[in-house]
Amino acid sequence: DSGVTQTPKHLITATGQRVTLRCSPRSGDLSVYWYQQSLDQGLQFLIQYYNGEERAKGNILERFSAQQFPDLHSELNLSSLELGDSALYFCASSGPGRWGNSPLHFGNGTRLTVT
Amino acid sequence: DAKTTQPPSMDCAEGRAANLPCNHSTISGNEYVYWYRQIHSQGPQYIIHGLKNNETNEMASLIITEDRKSSTLILPHATLRDTAVYYCIVVQYSSASKIIFGSGTRLSIRP
Repeated sequence: DSGVTQTPKHLITATGQRVTLRCSPRSGDLSVYWYQQSLDQGLQFLIQYYNGEERAKGNILERFSAQQFPDLHSELNLSSLELGDSALYFCASSGPGRWGNSPLHFGNGTRLTVT
Repeated sequence: DAKTTQPPSMDCAEGRAANLPCNHSTISGNEYVYWYRQIHSQGPQYIIHGLKNNETNEMASLIITEDRKSSTLILPHATLRDTAVYYCIVVQYSSASKIIFGSGTRLSIRP
């Protein structure tokens, strides 16, 4: 158990809809990262937050947004969903230690299916 | 783009040591080498990391060359449960980290 909790585990929705994925980081971790993994594809970095502030952005679509709340949990909002958004979405957290010297700990992901 | 190069696939006999290479020839002085693995759609699992010295933990050993341009992850006694995709990444000492994963090495352990 990594200590990172993601909910829901599975989500099935229709095209055009909006969903929210939730992530609770490990206790004490200040950074949260979001990744997308499509079928048989690699992990695509979406966005990073540190202590409530956005710190790094990857190839995140404009239809997607995220935030980190004062209690450090994070939400990834996906809107105007398309079939191609079907994927595993992973959240990871890392500690407050020296940046490069702090591993990522991943949750078990949310599997999103858009029909 | 990923800053590392790994073979797309490898295999190893159960009980033998699995040695997974990684090339990171453009690594800079403040970048750590990290290894993660992902077992069939589960969340990636942290294995080990290092800056310039060799490292060992209960899961694996990490050997980093003196010039830091390449490294090898060693699983000393591979089991079937070690079948996974192994990712080698470099991470910069920074508060804003685009931690990019490449394609990794798909390791198959044969009985």
